[in-house]
Amino acid sequence: EVQLVESGGGVVRPGGSLRLSCAASRFIFDDYGMSWVRQVPGKGLEWVSGISWNGDSTRYGDSVKGRFIISRDNAKNSLYLQMNNLRAEDTAFYYCAREERGRGAAFDIWGQGTVVIVSS
Amino acid sequence: QVVLTQSPSASASLGASVKLTCTLKSGHSSYAIAWHQQQPEKGPRYLMKINSDGSHSKGDGIPDRFSGSSSGAERYLTISSLQSEDEADYYCQTWGSGIRVFGGGTKLTVL
Repeated sequence: EVQLVESGGGVVRPGGSLRLSCAASRFIFDDYGMSWVRQVPGKGLEWVSGISWNGDSTRYGDSVKGRFIISRDNAKNSLYLQMNNLRAEDTAFYYCAREERGRGAAFDIWGQGTVVIVSS
Repeated sequence: QVVLTQSPSASASLGASVKLTCTLKSGHSSYAIAWHQQQPEKGPRYLMKINSDGSHSKGDGIPDRFSGSSSGAERYLTISSLQSEDEADYYCQTWGSGIRVFGGGTKLTVL
């Protein structure tokens, strides 16, 4: 079964850093663009960041631009999100998602999520 | 910037059908969208992609009860023969100019 598994979430103080990981399995990882999406409990989905299949192109949502860095290691079938200067409003569930191959960017596979809590 | 609008809530009876709507911002009526389902306390699940011409492709294992269509700037998700497990939040998603966007979501209640 095609699978994405996130890890690295936890509790961190405001201003701190955290690195999320997403391990992909049972598909050719470097055929696909990938994204991170987050969700504050009780709220809607928010796209955080995306990266092309080879890592050459990265994009960020306005709320995290300049603080978060997305990257990938295709040899390890892994996606990462380095989160710096964390704020209370970054508290959320973080999901990694695969973008469909070819034209378009529908998220066709989702991970189960990892929770990040920013609190003093 | 592309924007997606969804009604916050919808309801329908067990066994009935319901049609959820996702509206693209003016000027973006040619955009494709995707529908995602999020059941309570679970992560999102991809349902299908809908193109501007109404053609759609579903994710693996999505029942035939789920179908999609399109009209102008509106994209629809129709769920027939509603079951209790269809009670969930439904999000539409689109993309363009390197960014990805979600609608605010529709909470579907099965009565």
